[in-house]
Amino acid sequence: RKEVEQDPGPFNVPEGATVAFNCTYSNSASQSFFWYRQDCRKEPKLLMSVYSSGNEDGRFTAQLNRASQYISLLIRDSKLSDSATYLCVVPASGGSYIPTFGRGTSLIVHP
Amino acid sequence: DAGITQSPRHKVTETGTPVTLRCHQTENHRYMYWYRQDPGHGLRLIHYSYGVKDTDKGEVSDGYSVSRSKTEDFLLTLESATSSQTSVYFCAISELGIPTEQYFGPGTRLTVT
Repeated sequence: RKEVEQDPGPFNVPEGATVAFNCTYSNSASQSFFWYRQDCRKEPKLLMSVYSSGNEDGRFTAQLNRASQYISLLIRDSKLSDSATYLCVVPASGGSYIPTFGRGTSLIVHP
Repeated sequence: DAGITQSPRHKVTETGTPVTLRCHQTENHRYMYWYRQDPGHGLRLIHYSYGVKDTDKGEVSDGYSVSRSKTEDFLLTLESATSSQTSVYFCAISELGIPTEQYFGPGTRLTVT
């Protein structure tokens, strides 16, 4: 299994929909995870941190499933402005501190 | 937004020429990072710094060197640019070491012809 895997999408959803992305990881010792949002031709911006069972911020919920080794990002009541690429980040394995970024999942929210 | 700037923002250079990219922060964060982002790949770490004059290699460090003489500046140098180094380069900072939240600069788009 690759260190971090994401479904590239695109996920094409109407406004108001609920959408969820998963990110699987191979390092079972990982303790902390992050979701970043990246708009086209812009820098990644931190969206959420996931340190334990999960995290919620408004319409966004991140959950961690340690048994199956994946994290998820749920977006409720999607807005047009949510259209972006969502990157998950997992600390690297083998004691390395090099983070591993997923390739990202593309979300397109349409009217 | 975190105070991170990168210069230049765009650069076109020829194969074999040296190139230096600059990252400047006003947050006084200890840790700084250089990443490259290419289609079909996630962000990949090139080098990072955990203090003034303290640097270490990342995942894709071949062909790159870095220097950090001041807390606020982290330089990335391509000693002899190659076409495979055409990419978007992002600088990032963090207050604590990885794993932790990182804040990214606006990026430098480099084209090597």
